[in-house]
Amino acid sequence: DQQVKQNSPSLSVQEGRISILNCDYTNSMFDYFLWYKKYPAEGPTFLISISSIKDKNEDGRFTVFLNKSAKHLSLHIVPSQPGDSAVYFCAASQGGSEKLVFGKGTKLTVNP
Amino acid sequence: DGGITQSPKYLFRKEGQNVTLSCEQNLNHDAMYWYRQDPGQGLRLIYYSQIVNDFQKGDIAEGYSVSREKKESFPLTVTSAQKNPTAFYLCASNVRGSYNEQFFGPGTRLTVL
Repeated sequence: DQQVKQNSPSLSVQEGRISILNCDYTNSMFDYFLWYKKYPAEGPTFLISISSIKDKNEDGRFTVFLNKSAKHLSLHIVPSQPGDSAVYFCAASQGGSEKLVFGKGTKLTVNP
Repeated sequence: DGGITQSPKYLFRKEGQNVTLSCEQNLNHDAMYWYRQDPGQGLRLIYYSQIVNDFQKGDIAEGYSVSREKKESFPLTVTSAQKNPTAFYLCASNVRGSYNEQFFGPGTRLTVL
């Protein structure tokens, strides 16, 4: 039973446009959410996080939005760059637990 | 430079052999984690340790064992009991406590022939 779902296995966008990656979760106890970026054969790198007391968090070109009532979060990348091409994982934790639950990832391709 | 190292990058073993994957960190992190990634799958937690000489099973601990004798090191042994050991293994660490992101090593690709 997947608690964190990334329903789009892949996404393709043009350089300079917005990339929107989506993530849904089923466990209403999750209160901390993270996005990681991963290149092939490398470890994931942390991008941005958001706690459940917020509905938006920004860091440069990256913004994460959280809709608790819909149990949905999204990562916006503006403007998208070819170097953003990677697999993006959504992760969640609950109640201050150090354990993270990951989605299956979305492969983003940014075309020049 | 602080970080997490995993060695080797690629590892080949014959079926039925135990193999130990190394993970070392010099970030002074208390908590360390082992994940497994399969193609098209997310990261699944194998074991984690919040403090030296203590560790807990994750979601897929069967066929694996760990030790945490030093703060810097958290080796993972893939035993012959693991039914499908071929995968990409990732080690991570973080500052103990809630709401702290985990930092990942570069990973080890294990192939069992």
